Amino acid sequence: QVQLVESGGGVVQPGRSLRLSCAVSGLTFSSYSMDWVRQAPGKGLEWVAFISYDGSNKYYADSVKGRFTISRDNSRNTLYLQMNSLRTEDTAVYYCAKTWEFAFDYWGQGTLVTVSS
Amino acid sequence: DIQLTQPPSFLSASVGDRVTITCRASQGISNYLAWYQQKPGKAPKLLIYAASTLQSGVPSRFSGSGSGAEFTLTISSLQPEDFATYYCQQLYSYPVTFGPGTKVDIK
Repeated sequence: QVQLVESGGGVVQPGRSLRLSCAVSGLTFSSYSMDWVRQAPGKGLEWVAFISYDGSNKYYADSVKGRFTISRDNSRNTLYLQMNSLRTEDTAVYYCAKTWEFAFDYWGQGTLVTVSS
Repeated sequence: DIQLTQPPSFLSASVGDRVTITCRASQGISNYLAWYQQKPGKAPKLLIYAASTLQSGVPSRFSGSGSGAEFTLTISSLQPEDFATYYCQQLYSYPVTFGPGTKVDIK
């Protein structure tokens, strides 16, 4: 079955960096675009970043543009989110999701990032 | 950016009720709309895509309709496991956006 497993979350001070990973199994990872979505405590869903199946196209939310970088390693079936210059408002559960034209059909369980001094 | 609204943000209902949740887009998005269910501490679960297509494995009491800028999610007979928050999402253009959510609670 399809599995997406995020890792790399934790507590980090403002201004520091963190890299999230999303290990994907049960499908041909290199055939699918992927996204990151986050959810601040008690809040709704916020899209963060997109990467095409081959990594050639990337899009970012304005709130993270210039600070976050999405990437993928198709040989390792893994998606990444490099987060630099973290702010307190980046505190959230971060989900990776498999995407296609009409929906995000598979989601990971999420990893919590807490930015606090 | 395309904005989505979901009135109301909170809805009280009883088991067996027919429930309708609305999602309105700030511009036409054809049928590039999905609906998700989220329970506390869990990832969102895809219910409906392309506005009206039921995702595999989702009970048939869930249905979606609409196109353009107005959409609805209907639960024909609310079950205890359906108490959750429901989000709409547009994939017509990036940035992908989500509605603010409608929480369905027990009356």
